Amino acid sequence: AQTVTQSQPEMSVQEAETVTLSCTYDTSESNYYLFWYKQPPSRQMILVIRQEAYKQQNATENRFSVNFQKAAKSFSLKISDSQLGDTAMYFCAFITGAGSYQLTFGKGTKLSVIP
Amino acid sequence: DAGVTQSPTHLIKTRGQQVTLRCSPKSGHDTVSWYQQALGQGPQFIFQYYEEEERQRGNFPDRFSGHQFPNYSSELNVNALLLGDSALYLCASSLGPASGDGSYNEQFFGPGTRLTVL
Repeated sequence: AQTVTQSQPEMSVQEAETVTLSCTYDTSESNYYLFWYKQPPSRQMILVIRQEAYKQQNATENRFSVNFQKAAKSFSLKISDSQLGDTAMYFCAFITGAGSYQLTFGKGTKLSVIP
Repeated sequence: DAGVTQSPTHLIKTRGQQVTLRCSPKSGHDTVSWYQQALGQGPQFIFQYYEEEERQRGNFPDRFSGHQFPNYSSELNVNALLLGDSALYLCASSLGPASGDGSYNEQFFGPGTRLTVL
């Protein structure tokens, strides 16, 4: 079974500080893609960052970066210089490249940025 | 450029009724996926439509059915509603399905339809 585990239901961070959200996943496939999605109160699911499993270099997008540990099946998200607009639910997800069309999501981490 | 749109925004139904949710994909996209997001949970894949056919289905009963039209828009139908069907229903569109060669086309999500079953 393919699963995603986010062990931190809720987290908070002071504005301008750095926070790391954890994610582990389980799949028997060797080719897959990993994602972090943000879902603010407006409900619109927005892609924050993606990582191809075959790439060893960790992905970065401005203030967002990941720590991808393929052997450990770990995929954490680091948010630097946290902003009030980062307050949202964050979901870790993956999709395999073996003819599967579905994204598998974790249960999410609720992040609150405190002014 | 219009993104993914869904209608209605909110919907209230009673047990046993039937409901139809609608989704218009992002301009240029031809593939639509549906997800169910129960309160406090991550989205769960229902099914994906491409070329007006269901390409893959998640672990959902036959009460959940769908349709894709020639203009690529899609409908999700749920029959014999149960209280447990109360959820946010998300539609996502992409350009072609994820193919077996390992490539991936990003799925863009709509704002969802909040369904409440009483």
